[in-house]
Amino acid sequence: DAGVTQSPTHLIKTRGQQVTLRCSPKSGHDTVSWYQQALGQGPQFIFQYYEEEERQRGNFPDRFSGHQFPNYSSELNVNALLLGDSALYLCASSLGPEGVLSYNEQFFGPGTRLTVL
Amino acid sequence: ILNVEQSPQSLHVQEGDSTNFTCSFPSSNFYALHWYRWETAKSPEALFVMTLNGDEKKKGRISATLNTKEGYSYLYIKGSQPEDSATYLCASNSGGYQKVTFGTGTKLQVIP
Repeated sequence: DAGVTQSPTHLIKTRGQQVTLRCSPKSGHDTVSWYQQALGQGPQFIFQYYEEEERQRGNFPDRFSGHQFPNYSSELNVNALLLGDSALYLCASSLGPEGVLSYNEQFFGPGTRLTVL
Repeated sequence: ILNVEQSPQSLHVQEGDSTNFTCSFPSSNFYALHWYRWETAKSPEALFVMTLNGDEKKKGRISATLNTKEGYSYLYIKGSQPEDSATYLCASNSGGYQKVTFGTGTKLQVIP
């Protein structure tokens, strides 16, 4: 069982560019959530995908968008990058979308470190 | 409490010592509280999910308690070992079913 995988591991972009991060959920999981962790802060919930639709969303602007594919993998897209978007982006998978924090255990990937210059 | 707060921010303990840290969260509209263990360069690992006031969970030398009325949870580690060194995160979705908030974590270092 491969667990949750994310790619790439690290990424460097410049302001104004666009970035796509990828996540493959743990085998058997159908729900993917994305989090942003800025330096010195706890993870902040971005959004959650289930059945290829965005089900819940945190307080993030529309520059942050996502997608879920039929195989349950997911992408996070960020447009018009700002310096403040530099962070570790975590993906978590679970079985079922029963609330962002449900009784269904979430499994996290190792994250993608995004640096915006 | 409007946000999830964890204390202390960091601590160092000697191998064999027991330790504990705190997670405070909004007590209104409480739904669930999770504890995660996050080792450097690895993925956060779920330790416990707690939902009921008075809940106590245990996994090996690590245990946790929950007080939903006053909005706090304690994580205890008995006989700390170097492999316990990690950041311990709590997360709650009090204050609304869909509003999830993580604390900033407690970074534990166990000195051999």
